Amino acid sequence: KAGVTQTPRYLIKTRGQQVTLSCSPISGHRSVSWYQQTPGQGLQFLFEYFSETQRNKGNFPGRFSGRQFSNSRSEMNVSTLELGDSALYLCASSLEGQGGSYNSPLHFGNGTRLTVT
Amino acid sequence: QKEVEQNSGPLSVPEGAIASLNCTYSDRGSQSFFWYRQYSGKSPELIMFIYSNGDKEDGRFTAQLNKASQYVSLLIRDSQPSDSATYLCAVEQGGSQGNLIFGKGTKLSVKP
Repeated sequence: KAGVTQTPRYLIKTRGQQVTLSCSPISGHRSVSWYQQTPGQGLQFLFEYFSETQRNKGNFPGRFSGRQFSNSRSEMNVSTLELGDSALYLCASSLEGQGGSYNSPLHFGNGTRLTVT
Repeated sequence: QKEVEQNSGPLSVPEGAIASLNCTYSDRGSQSFFWYRQYSGKSPELIMFIYSNGDKEDGRFTAQLNKASQYVSLLIRDSQPSDSATYLCAVEQGGSQGNLIFGKGTKLSVKP
């Protein structure tokens, strides 16, 4: 079974631009979560989508948004990029929810490394 | 603010020794606890989860949970150089659709 696939692997953008990241979950997984990972803050939860609805949201500004399609694929968008948005963005999928059950753990993709200059 | 705390390390142990990784959490309502391993440049991978007080063993790994003390640990027996990685503790927030809060990770180095 294929794992979680994230594209692109690397992105370089300029301040003020916007970016869209893509995630394809494991087949059959309905929940997709997004995390930002930085050396200083570690892994921080952005949001979770389940059956095309945002179910949970972390403490990030409104510049960060996402959506999920009917095939469970998800996209994350960051508008008006800032230097501090440089990070590894990880997508994770699970059967039922965002780490909500030991029966449904998170499986992470390889991430998209975003550099904002 | 609900938190998960881990020593950042690095924790250095000789090959064959027991590595002990610790984690404390602030949300008493948390029910599920996870340990992820992250190699440098790679994504986190789940290695253990625990939800009942006590010990849970899986091969060379043992997870220990003490909800009264809000403490969870991971023991790695017979540590190997291939165990060198950052270990992330994750705690589910209370609630049926809990969020995972991650600690910042402990970097483990196993010396041959």
